Amino acid sequence: GVTQSPTHLIKTRGQQVTLRCSSQSGHNTVSWYQQALGQGPQFIFQYYREEENGRGNFPPRFSGLQFPNDSSELNVNALELDDSALYLCASSLPGHNTDTQYFGPGTRLTVL
Amino acid sequence: GDSVTQMEGPVTLSEEACLTINCTYTATGYPSLFWYVQYPGEGLQLLLKATKADDKGSNKGFEATYRKETTSFHLEKGSVQVSDSAVYFCALSDGGSQGNLIFGKGTKLSVKP
Repeated sequence: GVTQSPTHLIKTRGQQVTLRCSSQSGHNTVSWYQQALGQGPQFIFQYYREEENGRGNFPPRFSGLQFPNDSSELNVNALELDDSALYLCASSLPGHNTDTQYFGPGTRLTVL
Repeated sequence: GDSVTQMEGPVTLSEEACLTINCTYTATGYPSLFWYVQYPGEGLQLLLKATKADDKGSNKGFEATYRKETTSFHLEKGSVQVSDSAVYFCALSDGGSQGNLIFGKGTKLSVKP
């Protein structure tokens, strides 16, 4: 399945953070979502074959990478209090025009 | 833009009661529709999906039918169990090159023994 690390993270405002995700075996598309408390997940961006394939309404301080082994990173610079959320990674079956996504357990980020 | 609206919770039911969680959507194209479930402290699990009008998705006793005429995808279960207590999210995918999911705000279900 999809795995994410770390499970929990506490940072202070202005710091930078890197979250990691390992996709389900054979999946080459990974998407990242932000889930604020009590809300549904919101799409941050998607990577397909190491290229950004689409982006939601998030500022450039949210950036990502996808590696040849289909693992992925989400980087957030200049953390703000509102960045506190559960960050979810989801992977998809081969082919970037697919819509069934499989989610990891998430990383809970707290910004103080 | 595309959007999903779910009935607000929380919903509290007794074990073996019937469940309906309403979901309606707005989309310009022909989206695929999903229900995801999130158990406490966990990520999202795909519960069921439907990819075209009149399709019925089903899993673990849950069902939902893709109704294009009413733009709805209501989640139903005939007899809930305590173990069904979770947050349920309705979502759509427009199937475009991004394939990103658009979620509703979620409905928290609590089932009492």
